[in-house]
Amino acid sequence: GAVVSQHPSRVICKSGTSVKIECRSLDFQATTMFWYRQFPKKSLMLMATSNEGSKATYEQGVEKDKFLINHASLTLSTLTVTSAHPEDSSFYICSARKGGLGNTIYFGEGSWLTVV
Amino acid sequence: ILNVEQSPQSLHVQEGDSTNFTCSFPSSNFYALHWYRWETAKSPEALFVMTLNGDEKKKGRISATLNTKEGYSYLYIKGSQPEDSATYLCAPDSGGGADGLTFGKGTHLIIQP
Repeated sequence: GAVVSQHPSRVICKSGTSVKIECRSLDFQATTMFWYRQFPKKSLMLMATSNEGSKATYEQGVEKDKFLINHASLTLSTLTVTSAHPEDSSFYICSARKGGLGNTIYFGEGSWLTVV
Repeated sequence: ILNVEQSPQSLHVQEGDSTNFTCSFPSSNFYALHWYRWETAKSPEALFVMTLNGDEKKKGRISATLNTKEGYSYLYIKGSQPEDSATYLCAPDSGGGADGLTFGKGTHLIIQP
């Protein structure tokens, strides 16, 4: 199967700072990548769709100025949590679809963010 | 927002026993259903992508069936092994290729030796 790599796997940052999480498709090109967040005991919640070369599409209720997404190349999308607060502490995971509709979507390993 | 239900939420099964669990999803605008196995500290692993009503897919001891008319899928594990312990997630794929998946909460499976 295809490989999606996410980095860092764990990060601790201070309140008010920003932190960047990278998502890379290692062996395929992804024009679209997806960012999810998981709250405790909840399902994976789609935050936004990252589109290569254009603006991300955010789900309702997700602050685009708080969660900046950049998809600068066909193999890299980044999620930057800006001015982080403790309530931003969560598990964030990215995914990318290899091919079109109905094809498998591959996930990164996820990133645990703790804001202190 | 799609309503995706998985049941049961958690399941304890004795090693060697077979088990199954359910994913329910809206039957309208359906294109495909994805099943994933998610082990702790690893990436969710894609198990199946199912598209056809009545379809059955198999991967080793794991198989899945799909009913698109009534909006459900079953995942079966035959002869459970400790390495099957994981959370199993399902997600219908109903949008375009640029749409993300909506996941259920998953079924947390624990295989007891």
